[in-house]
Amino acid sequence: SQQGEEDPQALSIQEGENATMNCSYKTSINNLQWYRQNSGRGLVHLILIRSNEREKHSGRLRVTLDTSKKSSSLLITASRAADTASYFCATAGATYGGATNKLIFGTGTLLAVQP
Amino acid sequence: GAGVSQSPRYKVAKRGQDVALRCDPISGHVSLFWYQQALGQGPEFLTYFQNEAQLDKSGLPSDRFFAERPEGSVSTLKIQRTQQEDSAVYLCASSLEVMIYEQYFGPGTRLTVT
Repeated sequence: SQQGEEDPQALSIQEGENATMNCSYKTSINNLQWYRQNSGRGLVHLILIRSNEREKHSGRLRVTLDTSKKSSSLLITASRAADTASYFCATAGATYGGATNKLIFGTGTLLAVQP
Repeated sequence: GAGVSQSPRYKVAKRGQDVALRCDPISGHVSLFWYQQALGQGPEFLTYFQNEAQLDKSGLPSDRFFAERPEGSVSTLKIQRTQQEDSAVYLCASSLEVMIYEQYFGPGTRLTVT
């Protein structure tokens, strides 16, 4: 079963605008990751944020994590047509004595960036 | 270097047939995962290998699904007596070490059961 939900389910913006996607999850986590999927390149890892971190940046990406609300957001700044893809959050669970490796994915946000 | 490869990329099977899907992980990667992705959904975990040991098969939907990684590198996911609900994209992913969480995904095998 899916870990949680992402919203919006679909988002359409113009090139140069910012895109924000949100993810909610259900259980305790070790880390949360964001992946991009398009037909050309499959699933690609974008960024990982650990449960003890609140914010992380990578290029045009900014991720926040609020473990008290079990939610995360992904911000893509200055979007480009090439950013058009589906975006998924995925959590790696926390278990006693370490972390489980398997990823539990959200339902995804379909982003369309219009040129 | 080479990424994760999967074969075949597309497979059409008649209901009741057996299928075998192959995954070649990145060389030296210890961890290997199989996921199933239905149309319009996120991937769902099927099973996990650490080297040749299958440590988690909690996501396999039925005993018709079987996975192996006998030498700790190439893995095969086998589905026996395929059903229409097995139609999905099957994704393989690998990661370098047990506690390295970033996973590298292959392009997937799209299975259609008619």
